[in-house]
Amino acid sequence: DAGVIQSPRHEVTEMGQEVTLRCKPISGHNSLFWYRQTMMRGLELLIYFNNNVPIDDSGMPEDRFSAKMPNASFSTLKIQPSEPRDSAVYFCASSLLRAGELFFGEGSRLTVL
Amino acid sequence: KNQVEQSPQSLIILEGKNCTLQCNYTVSPFSNLRWYKQDTGRGPVSLTIMTFSENTKSNGRYTATLDADTKQSSLHITASQLSDSASYICVVSANSGAGSYQLTFGKGTKLSVIP
Repeated sequence: DAGVIQSPRHEVTEMGQEVTLRCKPISGHNSLFWYRQTMMRGLELLIYFNNNVPIDDSGMPEDRFSAKMPNASFSTLKIQPSEPRDSAVYFCASSLLRAGELFFGEGSRLTVL
Repeated sequence: KNQVEQSPQSLIILEGKNCTLQCNYTVSPFSNLRWYKQDTGRGPVSLTIMTFSENTKSNGRYTATLDADTKQSSLHITASQLSDSASYICVVSANSGAGSYQLTFGKGTKLSVIP
């Protein structure tokens, strides 16, 4: 298996623009997670899905952030409008069980100018 | 509130030397504890998992310990190599009931192994 695939790997955009990050989880995994990583705060859970259904989105910072999982093999994280404080590395991870090992993608590094 | 504290924040050691990273947690009810290794510019990768009944587990040159009474875990790296340079993240899972789990992440220890 190719592992968790994220795109884009790097994104530089201007404040106010819409950003869409994409994730393809490992085939057969039924849980998908979106994390944000910064030097100050480490890894923070934004939202997680189980069987394509959002279970916990309490980590989503505000209404500017939204996530979807239309099917078992694809998820998106959208930021609209983006702000400089959104600059971070965004990771997608999937797992077979809710308490199982997380398999992370390589991350999407977002820079908002 | 569930918390995971790691120490030291950063560490520099000479190649070939041993080192120990610490993880203290206040997570309840405890389910398991994992150590992840994160190379620069990459996603974290699981090194080992510790459950409540396990005290020690090894994965090559990595040995993890767990003291469930004091809520402490350590990751010992033996005969360090340059490729061990990375951030090591402690993640504790809590069983929040009804088949649901909550993960609490430490902020990591950044290890630099120098020749």
